[in-house]
Amino acid sequence: DQQVKQNSPSLSVQEGRISILNCDYTNSMFDYFLWYKKYPAEGPTFLISISSIKDKNEDGRFTVFLNKSAKHLSLHIVPSQPGDSAVYFCAAYNAGNNRKLIWGLGTSLAVNP
Amino acid sequence: NAGVTQTPKFQVLKTGQSMTLQCAQDMNHEYMSWYRQDPGMGLRLIHYSVGAGITDQGEVPNGYNVSRSTTEDFPLRLLSAAPSQTSVYFCASSATGGTQYFGPGTRLLVL
Repeated sequence: DQQVKQNSPSLSVQEGRISILNCDYTNSMFDYFLWYKKYPAEGPTFLISISSIKDKNEDGRFTVFLNKSAKHLSLHIVPSQPGDSAVYFCAAYNAGNNRKLIWGLGTSLAVNP
Repeated sequence: NAGVTQTPKFQVLKTGQSMTLQCAQDMNHEYMSWYRQDPGMGLRLIHYSVGAGITDQGEVPNGYNVSRSTTEDFPLRLLSAAPSQTSVYFCASSATGGTQYFGPGTRLLVL
């Protein structure tokens, strides 16, 4: 029972273009959503988060959008750079339920020069 | 700040051997967790701790033990290694749960 789903295992975009990574969830009790980035042979690093009371959060080239009615969030990277090539994980948790992170399976992003 | 450190970086074990994966953090975080990452499986929670002296099971706890005697350290013990435990193991810490900070990982191969 995958509560957090990243349906695209991989994505390829051209440098300078927009990358859009998608994530769907089934548990309406989630109230925080996070994106992590992972390079090979390294641990995941926190990228950006959003709480369920917002619909958008922006940090530099990274913007996360949340559509609660559709139980969908997306990460936009503009403009994409070759250094953004990594695996991106979506995760969610409920602040009142021991805050355990529930993870998606990841999307591998390749940004081509 | 070193953040979250893990040792060893890489280990080869024979079936039946035991070992301890070390994890330490210097951020005074209460929450610590162990995950394993396998191809196509994402990150799966093994055990976690919400403070010194308190541990609980995650979704894949079988074959692993943990203890949390100090805030800084959260070792993961494999009592009798099996080939199914070949994986990459990540330790993470968090101040209040939720957003977590990860170590560099330990690659374990069980023959």
